[in-house]
Amino acid sequence: EVQLVESGGGLVQPGGSLRLSCVASGFTFSDHYMDWVRQAPGKGLEWVGRIRNKANSHNTEYAASVKGRFIISRDDSQRSLFLQMNSLKTEDTALYYCAREDNANFVWGLWGQGTLVTVSS
Amino acid sequence: SYALVQPPSVAVAPGTSARITCGGNNFETKSVHWYQQKPGQAPVLVIHYDSDRPSGIPERFSGSKSGNTATLTITRVEVGDEADYYCQVWESSDNPVVFGGGTKLTVL
Repeated sequence: EVQLVESGGGLVQPGGSLRLSCVASGFTFSDHYMDWVRQAPGKGLEWVGRIRNKANSHNTEYAASVKGRFIISRDDSQRSLFLQMNSLKTEDTALYYCAREDNANFVWGLWGQGTLVTVSS
Repeated sequence: SYALVQPPSVAVAPGTSARITCGGNNFETKSVHWYQQKPGQAPVLVIHYDSDRPSGIPERFSGSKSGNTATLTITRVEVGDEADYYCQVWESSDNPVVFGGGTKLTVL
C-alpha cells in the first residue's frame, strides 16, 4: 500500500525540542522530494519545508517562520523523513503532515495522516 | 508578501454547482493547485496545474483560471463534498509555497 505514516508528536515545553518521523511505503521513496506541512488547530495549511532527493544533493528549503530552528533530513535506506524541531514556540503547535512531491514542483499527491505537536507550559 | 484570497465559506444545495474562487497576482506565471480536506482527514489533491484532475478524482471537479482569479468548480454537488478547499501556488520568493486561507463548502 502506498502510504506515509508520521510519528513522534507530543507535548513539549516552549524552548524545547522534538523530532518527528515519517515512514514511507509502496513507492520508491528515494526518487521523491519530501515536505512537511503543518496545520494549527482550526487554521489553514502552512508549508514548513522540503528536502530534495539524492540526485539534487538532499538540499533543503524552509519557511521563514521555522528557518534556523527546524531541520529536515532523510534516510533513504530506511524510507524515512525526519523533522528536527528546536527552540519550539507556542505558535508551532499544529498537526504536522509529511507529504510527497510528485514532480519536484511543490504539488503533493500523497499525504500522511499527521502527528500532533503541542507546545505549552 | 504574496497572498491568495479565498472566500471563507460557500454554501450550495445538493445537485447544484459550487464555485470556489482564489485570487492572486501574476497568475499568468503561476500554476494553481487545489486540495480538499474533509474533517479529521489529510488534504487530498483534487486539481493541479490549474485544470488537470489527478487520477481517481471525479470528473465533477474542474479547475479554471482567468486573469487574477482561479476557480474550482464542483458540479452535481454531493453531501460527501463537504470539506475545506485550499488553493496553492509556488511563489519564487523566500517563502516559496503559498496557500489560500481555505473555503468551507457546506452542502445545505
